[in-house]
Amino acid sequence: GAVVSQHPSRVICKSGTSVKIECRSLDFQATTMFWYRQFPKKSLMLMATSNEGSKATYEQGVEKDKFLINHASLTLSTLTVTSAHPEDSSFYICSASPPGPGELFFGEGSRLTVL
Amino acid sequence: AQKITQTQPGMFVQEKEAVTLDCTYDTSDPSYGLFWYKQPSSGEMIFLIYQGSYDQQNATEGRYSLNFQKARKSANLVISASQLGDSAMYFCAMRDPQGGSEKLVFGKGTKLTVNP
Repeated sequence: GAVVSQHPSRVICKSGTSVKIECRSLDFQATTMFWYRQFPKKSLMLMATSNEGSKATYEQGVEKDKFLINHASLTLSTLTVTSAHPEDSSFYICSASPPGPGELFFGEGSRLTVL
Repeated sequence: AQKITQTQPGMFVQEKEAVTLDCTYDTSDPSYGLFWYKQPSSGEMIFLIYQGSYDQQNATEGRYSLNFQKARKSANLVISASQLGDSAMYFCAMRDPQGGSEKLVFGKGTKLTVNP
């Protein structure tokens, strides 16, 4: 089946630094990818829709200057958490779908810890 | 307004028994898709089963089946012959018909514990 890969799986950074998380579709082209955030023992919250070659669409309440999304190619979307703060510590997970109707495939997730 | 409702924060089942995880949804769009995902403690999201709103039969995938009751707007997941490895969080999700894309709206999840 289709595979979506995320990297890194875990990252620890200092407050004030920026962290980049990559999401790759390994065997299909994804014009759209999605970024979710999950707090401990909570459901997934959609942060933004990443569109290849254009600006991402952010959900209400998500700071676009804080969470920079770049979808430069059909197989790669990146999420950059800028000027990270401890409250940004969370589990971030991406998803993508091959063309046509059907399931979304999720990456393995990235656990960010900001000290 | 909440579109996906999972009323069971936690469920317990004995190994080898069947368990039903509840999910109700709300939409006015006639075309929608319903999904169930499993999330073990490692965090990855594992696709289990999909039901389209126009599908005539309930979806089945191995030990997983979806009890789709359209009039009641429910899409319960049934796991038969539970195994210890089934212990995980389970999320019901709906493809948002108003979004015009493939994004999913998730329920709050149900934590399933399978006891030996």
